Amino acid sequence: GQQLNQSPQSMFIQEGEDVSMNCTSSSIFNTWLWYKQDPGEGPVLLIALYKAGELTSNGRLTAQFGITRKDSFLNISASIPSDVGIYFCAGANTGNQFYFGTGTSLTVIP
Amino acid sequence: GAVVSQHPSRVICKSGTSVKIECRSLDFQATTMFWYRQFPKQSLMLMATSNEGSKATYEQGVEKDKFLINHASLTLSTLTVTSAHPEDSSFYICSARDEGGNTIYFGEGSWLTVV
Repeated sequence: GQQLNQSPQSMFIQEGEDVSMNCTSSSIFNTWLWYKQDPGEGPVLLIALYKAGELTSNGRLTAQFGITRKDSFLNISASIPSDVGIYFCAGANTGNQFYFGTGTSLTVIP
Repeated sequence: GAVVSQHPSRVICKSGTSVKIECRSLDFQATTMFWYRQFPKQSLMLMATSNEGSKATYEQGVEKDKFLINHASLTLSTLTVTSAHPEDSSFYICSARDEGGNTIYFGEGSWLTVV
């Protein structure tokens, strides 16, 4: 199926740095979801967004539903080693069909 | 949050045999479940969409006779890999759409090794 454009593909950062990643779509979405996947495990839902402009936090994580409804951003502040993993975005269009981003691989260097 | 459970988490089977993986939504009813395959360091690859009480919808290139999907109840979908071969070895993940229809929760994943 269709996949969202997620960037960057990978990030190598120092512990303590902030992280920012985004997903874009060519069509309007009603829902944006952000997941984290640890190696060998299923993705875990981090943040769910349902309204354009919505800004939601979950601890050090903050995600925003873009005003244009075609993009979403995930920020991680003051990264720690356990933030390592692959982060996926997912979006649902007006037909409630879900599409997934290709993932951002995050490596945190202690 | 909602919980989706997969079983088994790891399975080893002989080439030519069939193996079944279960996906259960533990605290909500899921009319739609999804099955994915994931290769190392790659994104999720959607295999099929499983709708309760009806036939699954398979993605292009996925053999429906090879990967049998059954969604007989609102809390259970099964994926059966028939006549498994070593190239079927992979990480298989399911997900379920919640009752509101606007959030998806994933299972823990199942490692399949065909020897």
